[in-house]
Amino acid sequence: AQKITQTQPGMFVQEKEAVTLDCTYDTSDPSYGLFWYKQPSSGEMIFLIYQGSYDQQNATEGRYSLNFQKARKSANLVISASQLGDSAMYFCAMREGRRGNAGKSTFGDGTTLTVKP
Amino acid sequence: DTGVSQDPRHKITKRGQNVTFRCDPISEHNRLYWYRQTLGQGPEFLTYFQNEAQLEKSRLLSDRFSAERPKGSFSTLEIQRTEQGDSAMYLCASSRPGQGANEQFFGPGTRLTVL
Repeated sequence: AQKITQTQPGMFVQEKEAVTLDCTYDTSDPSYGLFWYKQPSSGEMIFLIYQGSYDQQNATEGRYSLNFQKARKSANLVISASQLGDSAMYFCAMREGRRGNAGKSTFGDGTTLTVKP
Repeated sequence: DTGVSQDPRHKITKRGQNVTFRCDPISEHNRLYWYRQTLGQGPEFLTYFQNEAQLEKSRLLSDRFSAERPKGSFSTLEIQRTEQGDSAMYLCASSRPGQGANEQFFGPGTRLTVL
């Protein structure tokens, strides 16, 4: 069965510094996709970044990068140059199947990030 | 690209009543997903459509929950005989087929409160 673990309920970071949000996963399917979403206090889920299980390089999207360590089953999100607007809940998620294309997604319980001025 | 919309945004109902929520996906998206999110937790998968076909349904869903997507466009989620434990945010998401299917676009959600 799929499982996502986010061990940091809350994190603080100083504005302009980098922060790493942890995510570990468990699956027996060799094909899967890993996702990170941001959920501000307004409630809407915003897609940030995607990593496929067969991707050779770590994914990057602007200030977001995913530190993918397949053997350790970890997919940590790195946010560089934190901004006040980055304060939100962050969720790690996984979908099994080729190219992470299957329907069902499993989400972790999230990490609340607070950026301090 | 107008985004995923959900209606209503908030619903307060009494225990035992039926409620229905609507989701309008992004127009070219053929995949539609429903999730439930309770306070302090991540979204929990409920069901998934590709066009009008319901391809997967969570075993956690009781028979009181039903979802439809009759013409492959908008979808409805109905909860019959609501219980207090049904109080949650109900999220809808959609995605394109093919390469773009990796990214799910979420709507603003419907917050249900069962008194």
